[in-house]
This record gives sequence, C-alpha cells and structure tokens, in this order.
Amino acid sequence: AQSVTQPDIHITVSEGASLELRCNYSYGATPYLFWYVQSPGQGLQLLLKYFSGDTLVQGIKGFEAEFKRSQSSFNLRKPSVHWSDAAEYFCAVGQRGYQKVTFGTGTKLQVIP
Amino acid sequence: EAQVTQNPRYLITVTGKKLTVTCSQNMNHEYMSWYRQDPGLGLRQIYYSMNVEVTDKGDVPEGYKVSRKEKRNFPLILESPSPNQTSLYFCASNSGTSGTGELFFGEGSRLTVL
Repeated sequence: AQSVTQPDIHITVSEGASLELRCNYSYGATPYLFWYVQSPGQGLQLLLKYFSGDTLVQGIKGFEAEFKRSQSSFNLRKPSVHWSDAAEYFCAVGQRGYQKVTFGTGTKLQVIP
Repeated sequence: EAQVTQNPRYLITVTGKKLTVTCSQNMNHEYMSWYRQDPGLGLRQIYYSMNVEVTDKGDVPEGYKVSRKEKRNFPLILESPSPNQTSLYFCASNSGTSGTGELFFGEGSRLTVL
C-alpha cells in the first residue's frame, strides 16, 4: 500500500531564510508526487507535481522539489521564505489513472520576522 | 471560473440526524473524491468516483455513502452521524486519466456532530 511520511509536524523559520520540508513515500512503482499548500481557512492548492523526467521540478510561489528515487524522498524547498508562506503543506503520492491519492499528515510552517 | 463548490460550509448537527454535503464541479471532470481532514492525521480519502455511476471506497468509508448520478455532482451522505464524524471535509475533482493529475479542491465543509 502506498504511504507518505512527513516527519516534521511544525517548522518555524525566519523571514528570508531558506526552507526545506521533508517528504518520504512508499510506493511500488514509479509514483506521481505532489505538494499542496493549505492557507488558514482555505482549501488545498497545488504547488508542484512530479510525474516523470527531470527530477527537479519547479512550482508556483518560488517553490521547488527534488525527486530522489534512491531515498524515496520528494523534499520541498524555497530559498527565501516570505511571511505569506505561513501555511500547512501536504505531500501526496498517487498512481497512474489517479484512482487513489494518499496524503501525508502535513507540516505546519510558521514564519517569524 | 473553474471551481469545486461545497455546501454547507459549516454545519452543526446532532447524533443520528441524516445529512448531506453537496459537491459540484464545473470542469467536466471525470474523477471526484471526498476527504476528511483531522488534526495530526492529514487528509484521508473517504470515497471516490471515476465516473458516473462508478464509486469505490477509500481508506475511511465507514459511516458514509456517496452517489454519482451526474458527472458534475458527488454528494456525501451521512445516514446516522456520530460525534467521531466531526471533521473538516473536502471534495476534490480531477480530469482523470487524460488529465495532468492535479486535484482541485473545494473550500471545505466543517461538520460538528453533537
């Protein structure tokens, strides 16, 4: 069965600092991987996705993620965090045909001045 | 505007009183799904539908029903709600095998069962 682990429940970073959110997945075949962001009181918005090809993917709002098959990881990064990035971030894994998407438990990001 | 619309956004009800949360999408998507979000548990899939009249259980289907009579609508039915179904519910859609894989989410429905 597919699964996603986000080991960090809560992360605090200073505005302007770099950010890395960790995600590890378990899936038998080549996974479809996603990062979503949820601002307070809102639904989820797709940040970026990986299906195949280049293992470094660029997303919206200056985010990027790198797929590392050997480590079963898909970590999210941003070089310089803005206060508006404070939100909860979810990693997710899916499969071809999109019948099932499994989400991690989320990482809540706090940005301090 | 492309969107997934859920109603109601907020609901307080009592144990055993049947309720329905509606979900509608205007993107002609084949795939629709319901999730519940609970603190520390992330999003867990309740039911999904690959197309009209095709539905299947997700990870936590107990206590819920769904139907897909029309492509655009995918209501979530709680026949006899219990307090452990107090949660934040999200409906999502996707264009299916022909699409990019992105899930489009509604804004959520916060349900409290007393």
